[in-house]
Amino acid sequence: NAGVMQNPRHLVRRRGQEARLRCSPMKGHSHVYWYRQLPEEGLKFMVYLQKENIIDESGMPKERFSAEFPKEGPSILRIQQVVRGDSAAYFCASSETVLDNYGYTFGSGTRLTVV
Amino acid sequence: SQQGEEDPQALSIQEGENATMNCSYKTSINNLQWYRQNSGRGLVHLILIRSNEREKHSGRLRVTLDTSKKSSSLLITASRAADTASYFCATDADSWGKLQFGAGTQVVVTP
Repeated sequence: NAGVMQNPRHLVRRRGQEARLRCSPMKGHSHVYWYRQLPEEGLKFMVYLQKENIIDESGMPKERFSAEFPKEGPSILRIQQVVRGDSAAYFCASSETVLDNYGYTFGSGTRLTVV
Repeated sequence: SQQGEEDPQALSIQEGENATMNCSYKTSINNLQWYRQNSGRGLVHLILIRSNEREKHSGRLRVTLDTSKKSSSLLITASRAADTASYFCATDADSWGKLQFGAGTQVVVTP
C-alpha cells in the first residue's frame, strides 16, 4: 500500500499563474481532506470531498480556490492567479470511512512557493 | 482562534528524559488526536483518544484526556534523538470528523 501520494512535492509559481496540486488517496479510501499549513503554524482545514462530491468546503477561500475528486483519478486542488500569500504547504489526507477512529493518513504534502 | 492550543511552544531535552506537552481546547469533542511532523515532512498519526477515555498508551507514548478541563497531555518517555519533531494535537468536534489543529510544540532531543 503506497499510502497517500501527493505531487508535486515542491511547486514554484509566479504571481498570477495557476497551481494544480494532486492527491491520490490510499487504496480503498473514498474520503479526501485538504489542509493548508502556513510557516510555523498548525494545519487549517480547507475542504472535504468524497468521490465526485464536495461535502464540506467551509475552509476554502471563496475566490481562486477549487477542489475536485473525480470518479477516476486523483483529487485536485486548484489555485488560480496565485498570490504570495498562497505560499504554504498543502496536505491531503484520506480515510476509508467518515469519522475514522484510527486517525487520518496524511500525504507528504506539496510545498507551494509563489515568487 | 484555534480549537487546540499546545503548550509549551518549544521544548528542549536530553536523550533519556521524558517530554510532556499539553493541549487545551474550547468546545466539546468526539476525540482528540496527536500527530508528529518531522521538519519538511507530512504528519504521522500517533494516537487517538476518544472523549469517553481518560488515558491511552502506545509504546513510549502516554496520552491523557480531561474533558472537564478540556485538556490533554502527551508524554514521551525515555526520549531519543529521533523523537525530535513538532507535535500537534487535533480535535475532532464536527459531525464528520473535521480536525482542528493547534500550532504545535517543537521538541528537540539532544544526544
